[in-house]
Formats: sequence, structure tokens, C-alpha cells
Amino acid sequence: GDSVTQMEGPVTLSEEAFLTINCTYTATGYPSLFWYVQYPGEGLQLLLKATKADDKGSNKGFEATYRKETTSFHLEKGSVQVSDSAVYFCALSDNFNKFYFGSGTKLNVKP
Amino acid sequence: DAGVTQSPTHLIKTRGQQVTLRCSPKSGHDTVSWYQQALGQGPQFIFQYYEEEERQRGNFPDRFSGHQFPNYSSELNVNALLLGDSALYLCASSLVGWQGGHEQFFGPGTRLTVL
Repeated sequence: GDSVTQMEGPVTLSEEAFLTINCTYTATGYPSLFWYVQYPGEGLQLLLKATKADDKGSNKGFEATYRKETTSFHLEKGSVQVSDSAVYFCALSDNFNKFYFGSGTKLNVKP
Repeated sequence: DAGVTQSPTHLIKTRGQQVTLRCSPKSGHDTVSWYQQALGQGPQFIFQYYEEEERQRGNFPDRFSGHQFPNYSSELNVNALLLGDSALYLCASSLVGWQGGHEQFFGPGTRLTVL
């Protein structure tokens, strides 16, 4: 079945450091890929998405490229801020809009 | 524009009891999905409702059931509660349930504690 695997956390970075959170997926069809962010005590918010191979999703300085050949959708940001501290979830949706989430990666950014 | 709302915010029940959680989708959305998020884990898909019918279901027992009303709001019912049902229950809404690629908008969740 479809699934998502993302790197375990926590990831601890200093402010202005480069961020990469790895995400790989397994899917039988042609999924859409998403990154969601969850701040403490809140629900999930969409960060970015890509709906087909080679698409790049971007938002708030975060980027991820849909790589079909490596079945990956790694999240990157060139310079993280303390306010980026949260839990990040990689997810895919199948052709019927059923979502599969990774286990989440907690990011801690220190001043 | 109100987003996805859920009630109640928190709930404490004892083993064997039944619980009903409620969700109102984002305005204009016609599809509601429910997820269970255990502490430190990603959300797990329970089921999805579209046009008042359960369209897809995840790997959850029949103790978990739901309903969608004509105004697209939805309920999640869990019978015979177990300690392991303690989790954050998230509702998500989207538009046109049968087409992939549509983002799901999540509510803040209901925190269920089973004692």
C-alpha cells in the first residue's frame, strides 16, 4: 500500500542554518505530495504541495521538489528562524484524496 | 471565512463508554475526512465522507463509525472505548472528494483521553 517515510527527529539547528528534512514515499498510482506543519497545540497547516513529477512547491522560504525517479519530496529552507520551530509532516494523497502521513519530524531552532 | 471547526476541544471518558465528536467543514467544502493522531505520531486515516456516504476507510475497527449531514458537517462515533483510543482526533475538509491533489484543511482537533 501507499506510505510515507520521513527522517526521525528531533532536528536541532541554529538560527540562519540550512534545513533539509528527508521524505520518501511508496505509491501505486500518481500521488500528490504535501508538507504540513503543526505548531504546538494547533492543528495541521499546509506548508506546500506538488501535484506531479518535477513540480516544485514553495512557501515562506520552504521548498520541495517532487522527484519521481527517487520517490522523494525533501523539504528545504535556506535560513531557518526560531519561529520555524514546529513538527513537519510529509504526506501523499492518492487518486481518491486519501492522505497518508509520515510520522513527523520535530524541528528546534535555537537563537 | 471560518475554517474547519471541531467540538469539543477536550474530552475525558472511561473504558467501555461511547463518544461522539463533531466537525464543521470549511465553507464550500463537501468532503470530510477523520484522522487519529497518537502522541508523537503522524495522523492515521480513519474514513472519509462525501455526499453523506462513507467513501473510503482506513484500518480501523467497526467501533469507529461516522456520519455526514446534508450541510456537510460530520460526526465521528467511537463505541466501547479502549485505553488505546486516547489520541488527538483531527477532522479535515476538502472540495470534490474524488479528485486527487486537493489540499485538506485541518481543524484544531479534539483531544480524547480514555481512563
